Amino acid sequence: TQLLEQSPQFLSIQEGENLTVYCNSSSVFSSLQWYRQEPGEGPVLLVTVVTGGEVKKLKRLTFQFGDARKDSSLHITAAQPGDTGLYLCAGPNRDDKIIFGKGTRLHILP
Amino acid sequence: AAGVIQSPRHLIKEKRETATLKCYPIPRHDTVYWYQQGPGQDPQFLISFYEKMQSDKGSIPDRFSAQQFSDYHSELNMSSLELGDSALYFCASSPGRNYEQYFGPGTRLTVT
Repeated sequence: TQLLEQSPQFLSIQEGENLTVYCNSSSVFSSLQWYRQEPGEGPVLLVTVVTGGEVKKLKRLTFQFGDARKDSSLHITAAQPGDTGLYLCAGPNRDDKIIFGKGTRLHILP
Repeated sequence: AAGVIQSPRHLIKEKRETATLKCYPIPRHDTVYWYQQGPGQDPQFLISFYEKMQSDKGSIPDRFSAQQFSDYHSELNMSSLELGDSALYFCASSPGRNYEQYFGPGTRLTVT
């Protein structure tokens, strides 16, 4: 069974610090999506990575897809309280069904 | 830009009652997904539709059913509600078999 494992499960850091969260699998994915969900709201699509080694930037967020397309990372520079939320990675498994990781709950302390 | 619309936003039902949740996808999106999210949990996939046909089934209880209509909106019907059905229910849509999903604001169902 293809799984997406996200780490850490929880992360609480001070405003202004940098952080990296991970999305790992033992299987190859054709693409991975990253979402952010704020409490009581629906997940919002942040980015899709498709090519091995691809790096995409969204303001202070940097997304990287592993060379072998089995893992991805999200790096946030100078975290702000508005970055607080649940970060989910997702992708299509070999049956072409979208699976989600369990997410990283990020809390930025002001 | 138009977003996914879900109604109602909040719903309170008693045990053993029925509930119907509605989802209106983004225009020209023909794929709809339903998710259930309990407090502090990640979204759990329930069911999806592509071009009005069920395309995938997840952990949807037999008490629940869903369908996608000719105008691509979808409804999730829930019967014999249980306390454990209290959760946020999200609908998401995507164009075709695109893997990027656009989520609605959710329906918060409370079963008392």
